[in-house]
Amino acid sequence: TQLLEQSPQFLSIQEGENLTVYCNSSSVFSSLQWYRQEPGEGPVLLVTVVTGGEVKKLKRLTFQFGDARKDSSLHITAAQPGDTGLYLCAGEGTSGSRLTFGEGTQLTVNP
Amino acid sequence: DVKVTQSSRYLVKRTGEKVFLECVQDMDHENMFWYRQDPGLGLRLIYFSYDVKMKEKGDIPEGYSVSREKKERFSLILESASTNQTSMYLCASSSPYGTGANVLTFGAGSRLTVL
Repeated sequence: TQLLEQSPQFLSIQEGENLTVYCNSSSVFSSLQWYRQEPGEGPVLLVTVVTGGEVKKLKRLTFQFGDARKDSSLHITAAQPGDTGLYLCAGEGTSGSRLTFGEGTQLTVNP
Repeated sequence: DVKVTQSSRYLVKRTGEKVFLECVQDMDHENMFWYRQDPGLGLRLIYFSYDVKMKEKGDIPEGYSVSREKKERFSLILESASTNQTSMYLCASSSPYGTGANVLTFGAGSRLTVL
């Protein structure tokens, strides 16, 4: 079973601060997806990274896939209260389409 | 707008009751999944299906069964609910093809409380 360790589990910051969430594994993934979940809703896809070393930007969010495709990070610049939510990483194994999810990072951005 | 619809947002059941959680998707997706979500544990896969009448066990299938009689509908069944099945249940679907292959579209979730 492939495991994804996500850190930190909880993060509470002030508006305007920067933050980074990490997703690590000893396994290689063919792709890595990041989702955000708001209270009372299901997770919604933010981005998919496929190539080792790939960097994708979504406004103030920067996603990076590790060179060895075993880890990923999400960096948020100048966080806003609207960024509050549960961030989940999910890795797609090299042999199939099942996703392995990390435990999630609960982010709270205080105004 | 594409959708995965879970019929019940909140349910309260008693120990031993049979529980049905229904999920319908309108995207013609081949793959459908049932997860449960508990704090600190992330999303854990219960069952999934790659085709009509086909089902595969996920990581935590004990105490659950599923049914997929039509492509758009995937049901999760708790034959005899127990208190440790109190959780948020998320249904998702995906297609194995195209540029968005294997990206999950989730429903809003069904929060089940077993007393």
